[in-house]
Amino acid sequence: SQKIEQNSEALNIQEGKTATLTCNYTNYSPAYLQWYRQDPGRGPVFLLLIRENEKEKRKERLKVTFDTTLKQSLFHITASQPADSATYLCALDRLYNQGGKLIFGQGTELSVKP
Amino acid sequence: GAVVSQHPSRVICKSGTSVKIECRSLDFQATTMFWYRQFPKQSLMLMATSNEGSKATYEQGVEKDKFLINHASLTLSTLTVTSAHPEDSSFYICSATPYSGANVLTFGAGSRLTVL
Repeated sequence: SQKIEQNSEALNIQEGKTATLTCNYTNYSPAYLQWYRQDPGRGPVFLLLIRENEKEKRKERLKVTFDTTLKQSLFHITASQPADSATYLCALDRLYNQGGKLIFGQGTELSVKP
Repeated sequence: GAVVSQHPSRVICKSGTSVKIECRSLDFQATTMFWYRQFPKQSLMLMATSNEGSKATYEQGVEKDKFLINHASLTLSTLTVTSAHPEDSSFYICSATPYSGANVLTFGAGSRLTVL
């Protein structure tokens, strides 16, 4: 069955450094991959979407890569700030064109210390 | 931007009672909404897909008689947890895809249900 794995251990980094989060998946070839941010007690907020034919996507301080050979996506936050502290979720479409039916990873908690 | 409003944000109820959670799309029409459930430190799990004007479709293992979904208008979907038990305590989040052609979800703020 389809499986998504994110590093379950919390990531603690110093302000100003680059945070790198990993999302691996198996038994699947998704058309695209998404990253969301979730703050405690809140619903997730969409950040970035990258398609299978794209290697990299950027948005301000965020960068996502998508390696369909390795079946892995990396999510980078450059010049991290304490306000970036949150849980970051990766998500894949479960089946092509079933909009909204996403499989989510368990998330990686990021803590940026001042 | 598109906003999904969810209410209540927190609810505490006694075992055996029913609880209704509302999900509204505020500035767009949503023919389809999605209900997810999240347990602490775990990922979001899709429970069901709510379809305006027709029956909801439930994921495997989700009891449709337990989790009643109604999507009576293009802007409102409701989830009713019937005869709630402590194991139903969870974080319930609704979502919709406001942008056609892109399967990006806009989520509500979530509803924390605690069943005593």
